[in-house]
Amino acid sequence: DSGVTQTPKHLITATGQRVTLRCSPRSGDLSVYWYQQSLDQGLQFLIQYYNGEERAKGNILERFSAQQFPDLHSELNLSSLELGDSALYFCASSVEQLAVPPYEQYFGPGTRLTVT
Amino acid sequence: GQNIDQPTEMTATEGAIVQINCTYQTSGFNGLFWYQQHAGEAPTFLSYNVLDGLEEKGRFSSFLSRSKGYSYLLLKELQMKDSASYLCAVKGYSGGGADGLTFGKGTHLIIQP
Repeated sequence: DSGVTQTPKHLITATGQRVTLRCSPRSGDLSVYWYQQSLDQGLQFLIQYYNGEERAKGNILERFSAQQFPDLHSELNLSSLELGDSALYFCASSVEQLAVPPYEQYFGPGTRLTVT
Repeated sequence: GQNIDQPTEMTATEGAIVQINCTYQTSGFNGLFWYQQHAGEAPTFLSYNVLDGLEEKGRFSSFLSRSKGYSYLLLKELQMKDSASYLCAVKGYSGGGADGLTFGKGTHLIIQP
């Protein structure tokens, strides 16, 4: 158990719908990262938040957005869903701070999203 | 941008040693990580290199050569439970600060009795 929690574990929805995935980082971790893993693309970095502020953006679509709340939990919002958005969505957290060497990221169990 | 290459699949024998190679091209480098991932589960951290050389951690070792854009993960005394995907990941660094991890597509390691 990494200490990172994600809900829900599974989500099945229809094309065109909107869903929200939730992540709670390990106690004390200020950085939260979101990743998407599909069979053909592998694990892709979407976005990072640090202490409530967006820090880095990867291959995140405009239909997707995220935020980190004052209690440090994070939500990833996926809208206008398409079949191709079906994937495993992982959240990871780390103690990472600015201008210091990077630390390992601890991954949550993931949310499996199926768009039908 | 980042580009990471690693073999798609490898097979090894229980009790033996296996080396999984990773080459990368990056516009900024702030460390290289190795993760293990069993099918349908979360990646788990194995090792981290930011300076050239070998890092040893029990049965697992990782090597980095920044000038060659090359790393390897060495697994010794292989066990059946080591059958998994091994992901090489590079942490970039852009002008605005540290980036997320860029992952290779993973090496699926099959351990045979």
